[in-house]
Amino acid sequence: DTGVSQDPRHKITKRGQNVTFRCDPISEHNRLYWYRQTLGQGPEFLTYFQNEAQLEKSRLLSDRFSAERPKGSFSTLEIQRTEQGDSAMYLCASSSRERLYNEQFFGPGTRLTVL
Amino acid sequence: AQTVTQSQPEMSVQEAETVTLSCTYDTSENNYYLFWYKQPPSRQMILVIRQEAYKQQNATENRFSVNFQKAAKSFSLKISDSQLGDTAMYFCAFMKPSDNAGNNRKLIWGLGTSLAVNP
Repeated sequence: DTGVSQDPRHKITKRGQNVTFRCDPISEHNRLYWYRQTLGQGPEFLTYFQNEAQLEKSRLLSDRFSAERPKGSFSTLEIQRTEQGDSAMYLCASSSRERLYNEQFFGPGTRLTVL
Repeated sequence: AQTVTQSQPEMSVQEAETVTLSCTYDTSENNYYLFWYKQPPSRQMILVIRQEAYKQQNATENRFSVNFQKAAKSFSLKISDSQLGDTAMYFCAFMKPSDNAGNNRKLIWGLGTSLAVNP
């Protein structure tokens, strides 16, 4: 069990650029979640996958945001035309259907800074 | 809509002492899950303890225990024999049971309580 990994750990970009983050869940986990956490706040739900199907999206996820999980394994989160308000920590989590309570295991996060 | 409130932005405790972090939530659901997560400085979020709403018995994990008051919609975390490694942000989170389509699995979070354990 190698845990949830995220890449990159830090990303600095200029306003208007596109960025893409990757999340690799724990290998046997079929559920994958993206959250956003701004400084001093709790995480906010963005989207959720069960296998390759995107089952739920938050209204926070504007049309500049897109997430994919093409083969039901890793996932990518893309932000187009970044804005300064997108600066945050982007957290990925995964969980297993077989595990009680749907415990979510978190990765270290990708910290995005938009200049 | 469900909400989670943590009314203590910051707390401190002396090493070896006991501290209680408060959490209240609002929901019309009868069954749900509650969690406390810990986020140490510059480290990832880890689960501390969880509670199912249908269970009356309070959950306990070693030095960590909860006081779950369903009628009051309160879910406090007690840390006994505090250790320096307990210094972290603590988040209370709520999850509804999933529907048949697999929805409602998202966690709804409070703003967190920053706990400092002092030597």
